[in-house]
Amino acid sequence: GAVVSQHPSWVICKSGTSVKIECRSLDFQATTMFWYRQFPKQSLMLMATSNEGSKATYEQGVEKDKFLINHASLTLSTLTVTSAHPEDSSFYICSARTPGGEQYFGPGTRLTVT
Amino acid sequence: KNEVEQSPQNLTAQEGEFITINCSYSVGISALHWLQQHPGGGIVSLFMLSSGKKKHGRLIATINIQEKHSSLHITASHPRDSAVYICAVRFHEKLTFGTGTRLTIIP
Repeated sequence: GAVVSQHPSWVICKSGTSVKIECRSLDFQATTMFWYRQFPKQSLMLMATSNEGSKATYEQGVEKDKFLINHASLTLSTLTVTSAHPEDSSFYICSARTPGGEQYFGPGTRLTVT
Repeated sequence: KNEVEQSPQNLTAQEGEFITINCSYSVGISALHWLQQHPGGGIVSLFMLSSGKKKHGRLIATINIQEKHSSLHITASHPRDSAVYICAVRFHEKLTFGTGTRLTIIP
């Protein structure tokens, strides 16, 4: 099946710094990518929907100035957590949708802010 | 808003048993996904369904659009099938996720 990669797989950063997470669709072009956040023992929560070449659409309650999303090409989307705080520590998962409507998930990035 | 309910929440079975996980949702959807999440966190997309039935290896997924219900079956279960299985429904281009079913297969 289609492959979506994320980098890094885990990151530890200090409070106040920024962290960038990359999401790539390796063998298909994804017109739409999604960013999710998952807290322990909870389900995935959609943060934002990203379409190539346009601004991301953020879900209610998600700060767009804190979670910067860039979808510069059909195979790459990035999520930057700016001025990270300990409460931003979470598991971040991206997903990419094929033109046929199938949706594939990345392996996730575990962010720990100290 | 679409509500997605999965049952059971937890399931422990012996190796070789036939497993069924259920998913019900409240409004019409364009597609339903079954996902698998292992302890490390990575998510694998198992099936995307809009009608009928799909089979891949030991996994079978069915959906009944009229009853708003889907099932995931695992035949000849194996300890490596131990994971959290998540049902997600697509409604208005967004996925709504169930809370997952934690499956443990005992050797």
